[in-house]
Amino acid sequence: AQKITQTQPGMFVQEKEAVTLDCTYDTSDQSYGLFWYKQPSSGEMIFLIYQGSYDEQNATEGRYSLNFQKARKSANLVISASQLGDSAMYFCAMREGSTTGGGNKLTFGTGTQLKVEL
Amino acid sequence: GAVVSQHPSRVICKSGTSVKIECRSLDFQATTMFWYRQFPKQSLMLMATSNEGSKATYEQGVEKDKFLINHASLTLSTLTVTSAHPEDSSFYICSARDPNRRGPYEQYFGPGTRLTVT
Repeated sequence: AQKITQTQPGMFVQEKEAVTLDCTYDTSDQSYGLFWYKQPSSGEMIFLIYQGSYDEQNATEGRYSLNFQKARKSANLVISASQLGDSAMYFCAMREGSTTGGGNKLTFGTGTQLKVEL
Repeated sequence: GAVVSQHPSRVICKSGTSVKIECRSLDFQATTMFWYRQFPKQSLMLMATSNEGSKATYEQGVEKDKFLINHASLTLSTLTVTSAHPEDSSFYICSARDPNRRGPYEQYFGPGTRLTVT
């Protein structure tokens, strides 16, 4: 089974609208971390937001929020008030296990290409 | 924030030659660095985990004799693609783990290196 599943290869949203990018994950670990990254055409990976498995509140970072539903194993990214500069590839990633235990590698989903339109 | 650099950003080499890519953590000591490969319009695939002072751990299916990784210091890891072939053309990205952080800022990505083998 895929550890990280992003079912939307491409999404369109109008400027100033909100958009939700889906991400589901699969792990048997109790301690894990979920990340969202933005990758523009330049290729750099830009960290957006993080949710720890023990965090009770949904993470928020400016216009980004993470809709964390632990029982459903989903970690959807919500971008509010979309801007033209938000057009990029978005990746969901998971780090399993505790960071102190050496389990630090990230597993990435296949990504969602977001295009913001006027 | 922490910065990770990669050099070169782009490289073109002839088939059969070797090319070295450097990954440096600029303001923290990275005991662990990760090397990813990304083909066009695809996700990041972890190639290997590089630990300072020890042998790298390669993911299944990655040829360790072809992709040589050296993590000789706490701020530098190198990836050497030996006897490169056109199918090795890809975007190579490194990330470095800050052992003093956990959660959102535990890993920092370099800007990537685009390798083209002719």
